[in-house]
Amino acid sequence: GENVEQHPSTLSVQEGDSAVIKCTYSDSASNYFPWYKQELGKGPQLIIDIRSNVGEKKDQRIAVTLNKTAKHFSLHITETQPEDSAVYFCAASKPHDMRFGAGTRLTVKP
Amino acid sequence: DTAVSQTPKYLVTQMGNDKSIKCEQNLGHDTMYWYKQDSKKFLKIMFSYNNKELIINETVPNRFSPKSPDKAHLNLHINSLELGDSAVYFCASSSPSGGAWETQYFGPGTRLLVL
Repeated sequence: GENVEQHPSTLSVQEGDSAVIKCTYSDSASNYFPWYKQELGKGPQLIIDIRSNVGEKKDQRIAVTLNKTAKHFSLHITETQPEDSAVYFCAASKPHDMRFGAGTRLTVKP
Repeated sequence: DTAVSQTPKYLVTQMGNDKSIKCEQNLGHDTMYWYKQDSKKFLKIMFSYNNKELIINETVPNRFSPKSPDKAHLNLHINSLELGDSAVYFCASSSPSGGAWETQYFGPGTRLLVL
């Protein structure tokens, strides 16, 4: 089955700095890679996703990259703000079956 | 107008009891899921249902039984609750958005505490 590894488990940055979270996956059949943000006491919220036929995607301060050959994908947040503080999850998905990484707790210090 | 809703939000119960958690989505999606999030925040899929049919049943004790009365609802019944069942349970739903790429939308979670 699919195994998704996510690093780092915790990340602390100064406001305005960039944050990078990296994930690897094992199942070549995975073709969709969403990223979720989970704030305290809430459900995971989709922030950006990337499909297997695309190498990178950007949405304002957030960008994702995918290397299918190496089975790596990454989340980049630029100009971090205190409200970016949360737990971030990567996931690898095939139809009806999504597997999550263990999460990264991001803290943005003002 | 909540997209994916769960009830109850909090559930505190004694070991050995039987309890149910309900989930409803108004997005018109045809696939629904249950996830368990443990104290270390790890999100693990438990079940997925597509058009009321069980697709994934992960290694979950058979004390857990999902029920899908229709495409908009997926309930989770838990028998003989154990201390280790304490966790946050999330419901999610998805619908194919072209090709096989499915975006999942999560409910707010049900916080279960077994005493």
